[in-house]
Amino acid sequence: GAVVSQHPSRVICKSGTSVKIECRSLDFQATTMFWYRQFPKQSLMLMATSNEGSKATYEQGVEKDKFLINHASLTLSTLTVTSAHPEDSSFYICSARGSGGGERSGYTFGSGTRLTVV
Amino acid sequence: GDSVTQMEGPVTLSEEAFLTINCTYTATGYPSLFWYVQYPGEGLQLLLKATKADDKGSNKGFEATYRKETTSFHLEKGSVQVSDSAVYFCALTGANNLFFGTGTRLTVIP
Repeated sequence: GAVVSQHPSRVICKSGTSVKIECRSLDFQATTMFWYRQFPKQSLMLMATSNEGSKATYEQGVEKDKFLINHASLTLSTLTVTSAHPEDSSFYICSARGSGGGERSGYTFGSGTRLTVV
Repeated sequence: GDSVTQMEGPVTLSEEAFLTINCTYTATGYPSLFWYVQYPGEGLQLLLKATKADDKGSNKGFEATYRKETTSFHLEKGSVQVSDSAVYFCALTGANNLFFGTGTRLTVIP
């Protein structure tokens, strides 16, 4: 079936540093990738949508200069949290969607990254 | 706009109890409906889905029926287990994305 690998699963960084999170579709080509943020005991908040080779589309209120998204290939998207601060601590989840029919055209989620900024 | 309203938790049940988690939606057009499950510290896993009215999605003993007349997609399971403890999200497809409910935390006690 469709599998999405996300790593790291956990990362702790110092305030002011940058962190990169990778999201890979392992057995299908992800034409679209989504990045979500989840606060404790809350639902998922869509941050941005990216199509391979295009600039990401950010949701209202999400700082594009702080959350850099790159989707350079059909199997890899990265989210870089720049100059991280403690308020950026959260659980980040990616989702990938392929083209064509079947399972790959649905939404497949990565296992998430727990970011803690100290 | 499209939205999902989900029963607020938390829900605590004894093992083998019957589970219902309510979900209603507002959407233009004919969305697909989903239930996702999130186990502690993990991402989301698709539990079941339904793509058109009157479809029933089922998996691992869970069921949900796409009811267009009541715009609902309630999740049910006849006999829950401790291993079902997780957060459950109802979702629907928008134009280019999924819309999620707020999630319902289920705890099953032995």
